[in-house]
Amino acid sequence: AQTVTQSQPEMSVQEAETVTLSCTYDTSESNYYLFWYKQPPSRQMILVIRQEAYKQQNATENRFSVNFQKAAKSFSLKISDSQLGDTAMYFCAFMATNAGNMLTFGGGTRLMVKP
Amino acid sequence: EAGVAQSPRYKIIEKRQSVAFWCNPISGHATLYWYQQILGQGPKLLIQFQNNGVVDDSQLPKDRFSAERLKGVDSTLKIQPAKLEDSAVYLCASSLDPAGTQYFGPGTRLTVL
Repeated sequence: AQTVTQSQPEMSVQEAETVTLSCTYDTSESNYYLFWYKQPPSRQMILVIRQEAYKQQNATENRFSVNFQKAAKSFSLKISDSQLGDTAMYFCAFMATNAGNMLTFGGGTRLMVKP
Repeated sequence: EAGVAQSPRYKIIEKRQSVAFWCNPISGHATLYWYQQILGQGPKLLIQFQNNGVVDDSQLPKDRFSAERLKGVDSTLKIQPAKLEDSAVYLCASSLDPAGTQYFGPGTRLTVL
């Protein structure tokens, strides 16, 4: 079974600064995907970024980038130039392609961007 | 492109009553998922459909929860009878195929009194 751990229940950052959210996972699978989802107070779960485990290059989407360390089973999210609209819960998620493609979520990190 | 639609957005019921939630996935998405998200936790998969067949329902409490996707498009999730611990947000998601990125609907917040 897979587990996903987010060790930071809450974080805050000043507007325009950079923040990094941590995520570690445990699996014996070799083929998998990792995701970061954002859930604002409206509850809509929005995909932020996706990383394929077989790719060594870290994924990037505009101000969002990941640091994927496969050997360490670590998948952190860096948000640059933080904006007030980035305030939300952030969930790290794991999907093994050989295990029914079920998404396993971490417990989430609540991020507050302060003006 | 329209996203995943869910209704109702909110529902309040008494324990032992029944309730049903509806989901309309993104057009063309063959895979549909129902998740339960208890306050302060990450979502937990309840059931996964591929077209109108069940792929995984291992975490669905089958004594009270049921779900169907009769024509491989819309889906309904039912709880009968509801318990206090069923209070949660119920999220529907869909993907083009099982390995595809899942896109989520806005969820239904259920409160059981």
